[in-house]
Amino acid sequence: AQSVTQLGSHVSVSEGALVLLRCNYSSSVPPYLFWYVQYPNQGLQLLLKYTSAATLVKGINGFEAEFKKSETSFHLTKPSAHMSDAAEYFCAVSEGGNAGNMLTFGGGTRLMVKP
Amino acid sequence: NAGVTQTPKFRVLKTGQSMTLLCAQDMNHEYMYWYRQDPGMGLRLIHYSVGEGTTAKGEVPDGYNVSRLKKQNFLLGLESAAPSQTSVYFCASSYSGTRWGQFFGPGTRLTVL
Repeated sequence: AQSVTQLGSHVSVSEGALVLLRCNYSSSVPPYLFWYVQYPNQGLQLLLKYTSAATLVKGINGFEAEFKKSETSFHLTKPSAHMSDAAEYFCAVSEGGNAGNMLTFGGGTRLMVKP
Repeated sequence: NAGVTQTPKFRVLKTGQSMTLLCAQDMNHEYMYWYRQDPGMGLRLIHYSVGEGTTAKGEVPDGYNVSRLKKQNFLLGLESAAPSQTSVYFCASSYSGTRWGQFFGPGTRLTVL
């Protein structure tokens, strides 16, 4: 069975500082991996995805994530935080095949950006 | 394009009442999903559909039923609501499976008293 662990339910950074949101997964097969962002009172929006191509994936709004198979990690980074990045971020995994119909989500990390 | 829409946006039910949540998508997607979101637990899949006329159970299907009579619509039903079903419900759709990413609706906040 697949699972996702997001370390830190809350992360606080200063505006202009590096953003690092951690995600570790377990999967019995090469996974598809995703990061979603949720702004208050809205649905989830896809930030980026890894589907077995390049291990460094670039997404929207300056975010990127690196797939590290040896560490079973898919951490999300952004070099310089902006106030508008304050939101909740979810990492998700899918195993493809029939299970590829299903996404398993982590518990989420709320990012706060201080002025 | 409206994308994925959900009706209603808010609802309050009493224990034992029934209701249906409607999800509609105008992207001609084959796959549709219903999730519930609870604090600290991320999103959990309730039911999903891989095409018109098909449905399948997700991680937490008990107490819910679904129907996909038309490709663009996916209905989630609660036959006898319980306080444990108080949650925010999200519908999502995708072109084909999860590889392509899922598009989410704005959510329905349901409170069961």
